[in-house]
Amino acid sequence: GAVVSQHPSRVICKSGTSVKIECRSLDFQATTMFWYRQFPKQSLMLMATSNEGSKATYEQGVEKDKFLINHASLTLSTLTVTSAHPEDSSFYICSARSGGGYTFGSGTRLTVV
Amino acid sequence: QQQVKQSPQSLIVQKGGISIINCAYENTAFDYFPWYQQFPGKGPALLIAIRPDVSEKKEGRFTISFNKSAKQFSLHIMDSQPGDSATYFCAASEETSGSRLTFGEGTQLTVNP
Repeated sequence: GAVVSQHPSRVICKSGTSVKIECRSLDFQATTMFWYRQFPKQSLMLMATSNEGSKATYEQGVEKDKFLINHASLTLSTLTVTSAHPEDSSFYICSARSGGGYTFGSGTRLTVV
Repeated sequence: QQQVKQSPQSLIVQKGGISIINCAYENTAFDYFPWYQQFPGKGPALLIAIRPDVSEKKEGRFTISFNKSAKQFSLHIMDSQPGDSATYFCAASEETSGSRLTFGEGTQLTVNP
């Protein structure tokens, strides 16, 4: 089946630094990638939708200058959290449309100290 | 109109029992209804999905019941096992238009041995 590989699985960074999260579609081409954020015991909240070769579409309330998304190829999309602060600590998950459904990455636990 | 309402928020079932989780939606354009299982620290994994042309779909111990007129769908887990303990999310999308998934709030299922 379709696999989306997400790295790193967990990262701890200092406040004010930037962190990059990568998602790769291993056996299919991901024209569209979705990025979610999930707080403990809550549902997934869509942050942005990215299409290969074009600018990402951000959901209302999501700062596009803080959460930079790049989808430069059909197999790689990246989310960069810039100038991270403790409130950005969360679980970030990517997803891609594959075949008849959606495949999710394994998630990245970001802790900003 | 984009919301998907899920209940209950949490569910405790004895081993061997039936777990039932319900979802309701408003958008009649939704045409794809998946259920995801998520373990702590992991991304969601597709469990089973249904499209509105059928009223029921069964895969092993998991069954989706779909009521188009009531705009409701439910997940039944037969012979529930402790290994089924996880968070379950229903979702919906307008697959034909390539739209994103709209998630329910999630149900924390605990199966006691």
